[in-house]
Amino acid sequence: NAGVTQTPKFRILKIGQSMTLQCTQDMNHNYMYWYRQDPGMGLKLIYYSVGAGITDKGEVPNGYNVSRSTTEDFPLRLELAAPSQTSVYFCASSYIAGSMETQYFGPGTRLLVL
Amino acid sequence: DAKTTQPNSMESNEEEPVHLPCNHSTISGTDYIHWYRQLPSQGPEYVIHGLTSNVNNRMASLAIAEDRKSSTLILHRATLRDAAVYYCILRDSGDSGYSTLTFGKGTMLLVSP
Repeated sequence: NAGVTQTPKFRILKIGQSMTLQCTQDMNHNYMYWYRQDPGMGLKLIYYSVGAGITDKGEVPNGYNVSRSTTEDFPLRLELAAPSQTSVYFCASSYIAGSMETQYFGPGTRLLVL
Repeated sequence: DAKTTQPNSMESNEEEPVHLPCNHSTISGTDYIHWYRQLPSQGPEYVIHGLTSNVNNRMASLAIAEDRKSSTLILHRATLRDAAVYYCILRDSGDSGYSTLTFGKGTMLLVSP
C-alpha cells in the first residue's frame, strides 16, 4: 500500500493564482482531512470528509474549497492565492472503529505564495 | 474540545527513558487521550492512545493518572530517531457525534547522542 500520497511536493504561486492540491489514499478509508501547518505551529484543520459526497468545514476553511467524488481522492482547491496561505499542507485519512481512530498522514505539500 | 497543556520542549540523552507530560484538567468521561508525533519534514504519525488504563505498544507506553487529568508518554529508550514534536490530543468518542482531532503546538523532543 502506498498509504496517503500528495502532489505536488512543493509549489510557488503568485498572488491571485489558483491551484489544486491532490490527495489520494489506497486504504479504503471513509474519513479524509486537510490540515495546514504554519512554521512553529501545530496543525489546523481546513476541511474534512466523512465519505464520498460529504464534506464539512474545519477550523480555517476560508480561501479553500474541497470535493469528494470518490473514496480515494480528496483534492483541495485554492482559488485566489494569498501570502497568508503560505504553509505546509497535509492530507490525512482514517477509519473509525468504535473508540479507535488512527489518522494516516501524507508527506505534505509545501506552498509558497509570493 | 477539551484542551491539553504540554511543555514546549524537552531534552534527553540517547538510550535514556523519556517522560513526556500532558495536562488535561477539563477532560470529560468520553475523551480518549491520543498521542501523535511529527518527525522533521514529515506528516504526523500515530503513537498510542488510551482511556483510563495504562497502555503499551511497540513504540511507547502511556501512563494515565487515576483522575485522568494528566497523562505521560513514556519512551523507554530514546534514540536519535525519536527526536520529533509530540502531540497530546483529546478525542471525544461519546454520543455527541463525530469529533475531529485538534493539534496544539506539542512538545519538541531533542535527543542528544
